[in-house]
Amino acid sequence: KAGVTQTPRYLIKTRGQQVTLSCSPISGHRSVSWYQQTPGQGLQFLFEYFSETQRNKGNFPGRFSGRQFSNSRSEMNVSTLELGDSALYLCASSLATGRLRAFFGQGTRLTVV
Amino acid sequence: TQLLEQSPQFLSIQEGENLTVYCNSSSVFSSLQWYRQEPGEGPVLLVTVVTGGEVKKLKRLTFQFGDARKDSSLHITAAQPGDTGLYLCAGEGGATNKLIFGTGTLLAVQP
Repeated sequence: KAGVTQTPRYLIKTRGQQVTLSCSPISGHRSVSWYQQTPGQGLQFLFEYFSETQRNKGNFPGRFSGRQFSNSRSEMNVSTLELGDSALYLCASSLATGRLRAFFGQGTRLTVV
Repeated sequence: TQLLEQSPQFLSIQEGENLTVYCNSSSVFSSLQWYRQEPGEGPVLLVTVVTGGEVKKLKRLTFQFGDARKDSSLHITAAQPGDTGLYLCAGEGGATNKLIFGTGTLLAVQP
């Protein structure tokens, strides 16, 4: 069974640009969660999608948005990038919301210059 | 706000030593998970504990969930260099039912 796939693995963007990251969950998993990981703040929850609906949202500005498609694949978008958005963005999939086990992808390393 | 504090933050030990990592909160969680993350990779789930007082063993790793389901510990016996990584606890529960991650413990096992 293929794992969680995140693309791209690495990305360099300039301040003010926008970026879209993609996550393909494990086949059959309907819940996708996004996290931002930085050395200073650790792993912080961005949002969770289940059956194309946002179920939970963390404390991030409106520049961070996401969506989920009917095949459970998810994208997150960050507009008007800031230097502080540089981080490892991780996606996790699970069978359902209220899950006991989340499987993480390898992440997308975003660097904003 | 649910917070999970891990201690110690950093740990550097010699191969063969034992160690314990703690994960503490003032909130009650319905379940608690432990992950290990290696550089450049996503966290990998090690174990999930759901019952207060539960103890689970995974080879040289022993995980315990506190009786009140507010804290947990991870004990590693005879650490190996392959145990090196970032250890994260994560609690599930509360009104939002989202996974809250701890602050992390970075472990380095020297050969």
